[in-house]
Amino acid sequence: DTGVSQDPRHKITKRGQNVTFRCDPISEHNRLYWYRQTLGQGPEFLTYFQNEAQLEKSRLLSDRFSAERPKGSFSTLEIQRTEQGDSAMYLCASSLSRGRIDTQYFGPGTRLTVL
Amino acid sequence: AQTVTQSQPEMSVQEAETVTLSCTYDTSESDYYLFWYKQPPSRQMILVIRQEAYKQQNATENRFSVNFQKAAKSFSLKISDSQLGDAAMYFCAYRRLNDMRFGAGTRLTVKP
Repeated sequence: DTGVSQDPRHKITKRGQNVTFRCDPISEHNRLYWYRQTLGQGPEFLTYFQNEAQLEKSRLLSDRFSAERPKGSFSTLEIQRTEQGDSAMYLCASSLSRGRIDTQYFGPGTRLTVL
Repeated sequence: AQTVTQSQPEMSVQEAETVTLSCTYDTSESDYYLFWYKQPPSRQMILVIRQEAYKQQNATENRFSVNFQKAAKSFSLKISDSQLGDAAMYFCAYRRLNDMRFGAGTRLTVKP
């Protein structure tokens, strides 16, 4: 399978704990996006990388959230001191930037439950 | 701010029939892109169809077609000859540069 993969698929944690999610994009895709999706809503943009550079961050991304993409390959999203409001599906998408528009390919997501 | 509205939380269609999902958006820009994504239960989101705002011709992908009304800021999805596998959440999305906004989704049920 050469699609976007995310790990873990499910994470249950207690409030106040730190969690880290991983996303492996499609090989050679230079852009990587993180979204958050709460129940009954569409995905909301969090941040995106072009290669290893984090080019844009949403205001939704509080100081407790940090994302990295070392060497422009996989990416991690860390949430520190989790809160119940962080419970959501975290989606990763990747794309190959060329031409006017790139098509984003989504991973299966990591479902986070904060107790 | 750009917003995307899907006014139909749920829709159902009989197998082999046609269904249209509605989407409206708000923008002051003239150059942007619109998408429909499908998210089957417990599966990842996949692109169904996309439309460039500068193109007047409506996009078509096999049984999926759109009705793009730029002046009305409307972008509906028509699914012809509906199949059981079409059952999913459908999200309309607006994109300008790297800003992509999704609607809240429409849950489509296909009845055999």
